[in-house]
Amino acid sequence: DAKTTQPDSMESTEGETVHLPCSHATISGNEYIYWYRQVPLQGPEYVTHGLQQNTTNSMAFLAIASDRKSSTLILPHVSLRDAAVYHCILRAMNQGGSAKLIFGEGTKLTVSS
Amino acid sequence: EAAVTQSPRNKVAVTGGKVTLSCNQTNNHNNMYWYRQDTGHGLRLIHYSYGAGSTEKGDIPDGYKASRPSQENFSLILELATPSQTSVYFCASGDAPGGTGQLYFGEGSKLTVL
Repeated sequence: DAKTTQPDSMESTEGETVHLPCSHATISGNEYIYWYRQVPLQGPEYVTHGLQQNTTNSMAFLAIASDRKSSTLILPHVSLRDAAVYHCILRAMNQGGSAKLIFGEGTKLTVSS
Repeated sequence: EAAVTQSPRNKVAVTGGKVTLSCNQTNNHNNMYWYRQDTGHGLRLIHYSYGAGSTEKGDIPDGYKASRPSQENFSLILELATPSQTSVYFCASGDAPGGTGQLYFGEGSKLTVL
């Protein structure tokens, strides 16, 4: 699975829209982009995923560059509950689908009131 | 709601002792995973499984064994625990290939090896 690069940390204020960047310059055509978030003392929680098209759900909007070498997780109107470490992960879905999912350090998002 | 349950939640073991961490999922997912998380290293994959009877090595399998006796249960076994294995361990389950690929994580098991 290809590697991703994220900033170590980002800061925001409640009510702001936050853009969390992820670089994946060596992504393969069959790799999906997944985002998870994790708060202290809990396991990671799925946020969203996509392949090529932008996606949106109740938690976030995922913007994927046209060349797929980068993506941005957009969190609208963040609250204190959105403070977490956000992980950008690539997962290959070929040959029956790889089960392997590799996490990096992620971006620690701090939200102040 | 998908459910992944780990036990024990906290464990103190002695060096050289045997430790078994258990994981149960009620999601009927084919894939299950064991990760460990340490400060400065994020989540690292130890073992994973595609289904009952299968186990695969992850990125850091040394010192660990895994067992998947059934669809629901996946255990991580430390035959001879060492202080370097002090960590928080997370189990996860995920649906079969072709699905969303979403993983569901347990609450974590904190292991301290003295």
